[in-house]
Amino acid sequence: GAVVSQHPSRVICKSGTSVKIECRSLDFQATTMFWYRQFPKQSLMLMATSNEGSKATYEQGVEKDKFLINHASLTLSTLTVTSAHPEDSSFYICSAMGTGGSSYNEQFFGPGTRLTVL
Amino acid sequence: RKEVEQDPGPFNVPEGATVAFNCTYSNSASQSFFWYRQDCRKEPKLLMSVYSSGNEDGRFTAQLNRASQYISLLIRDSKLSDSATYLCVVNPGTASKLTFGTGTRLQVTL
Repeated sequence: GAVVSQHPSRVICKSGTSVKIECRSLDFQATTMFWYRQFPKQSLMLMATSNEGSKATYEQGVEKDKFLINHASLTLSTLTVTSAHPEDSSFYICSAMGTGGSSYNEQFFGPGTRLTVL
Repeated sequence: RKEVEQDPGPFNVPEGATVAFNCTYSNSASQSFFWYRQDCRKEPKLLMSVYSSGNEDGRFTAQLNRASQYISLLIRDSKLSDSATYLCVVNPGTASKLTFGTGTRLQVTL
């Protein structure tokens, strides 16, 4: 299957700082990427849909000014958590959607980024 | 009502046992259905898609009942390596979004 990477895998930061998480599709181009958040013992919750070259579409209840998404190329989307607070501590996972062949419309997940805000 | 509901478990079964997980979804217009597996502190990985006619992949069998809005996963001859959380996932039909259940935890023991 296709490979999606995320960087960093783990980050610890102080309250009030901003954190950028990168999501890359390594061997395919992804016009659409998704950002999810997962709190302990809960399901993955979709935060936003990121489309290359256009503004992200945010799910209800997700603040777009706090979670900035940039999908500047067909292989890279970034999520910036601005002015992070302890309640933002979570597991952030991206996925990229396949565009052709047997992987068409399948979502390939990155390994996730564990954010801890002190 | 949650969009996708699963029994959180845990299901503790001995090696070799058969175990079944169920899932219900609320949106009758949902288009496609999946089972994902998630290991502790890792990303989810696609286990199998679920088709209306039911489908099998080795020891795993998935079934869909659209009338009852119900999906199941059967695992035969459980292995220790099957220990994980199994996520029921539904595409509600809008722009390829996926809706995840909270998962059912399986622990296979010796």
